[in-house]
Amino acid sequence: AQSVAQPEDQVNVAEGNPLTVKCTYSVSGNPYLFWYVQYPNRGLQFLLKYITGDNLVKGSYGFEAEFNKSQTSFHLKKPSALVSDSALYFCAVRDWDDKIIFGKGTRLHILP
Amino acid sequence: NAGVTQTPKFRILKIGQSMTLQCTQDMNHNYMYWYRQDPGMGLKLIYYSVGAGITDKGEVPNGYNVSRSTTEDFPLRLELAAPSQTSVYFCASSLSVGGGRLRMGNQPQHFGDGTRLSIL
Repeated sequence: AQSVAQPEDQVNVAEGNPLTVKCTYSVSGNPYLFWYVQYPNRGLQFLLKYITGDNLVKGSYGFEAEFNKSQTSFHLKKPSALVSDSALYFCAVRDWDDKIIFGKGTRLHILP
Repeated sequence: NAGVTQTPKFRILKIGQSMTLQCTQDMNHNYMYWYRQDPGMGLKLIYYSVGAGITDKGEVPNGYNVSRSTTEDFPLRLELAAPSQTSVYFCASSLSVGGGRLRMGNQPQHFGDGTRLSIL
């Protein structure tokens, strides 16, 4: 079965520093990968997706993600973190039957 | 543009009671979904629908029912509330842009702000 893993429950980053939120996946065939963000008491918001093409995908709010096929990873990155980036981040992968499987989430804390 | 609207935002139920969580979207999306979110567990798919009149089970459908009589609405029904159904419920929708490989798994989902449900 397809699966997605977010190995870190929480990531702390100082404001202005680069941030990385890790995601690894296991799929058969070509992966369809997504990142979502969730702010307190809100639903998930789409950030970016990888379907095919360039391994570096750019998304909303200055975020980008790098698809690495050999390492089966799709890490979320941002060059300079903002306090307002503090939120819960979910990686997701398309399952064999077209449904989306979400990771357990990584809580990102940006320290002023 | 309202997007996906869920009501109510909060609800407390007693064991054995029933209720319907409402979800409506104004984006003319053909696909709709119900998820539950439990702490540290990510999102689990309860039911989904690929169009009016068509529904199917997700990963955790037991104890729930759905219907899809219109494109806009996708209510979730709890018939006999149990403490294990205490959770935050999210409705989502997405657009299918074609047949073949271009199905629901390719498109981003748009989420409502959730219904926080406690069963006591």
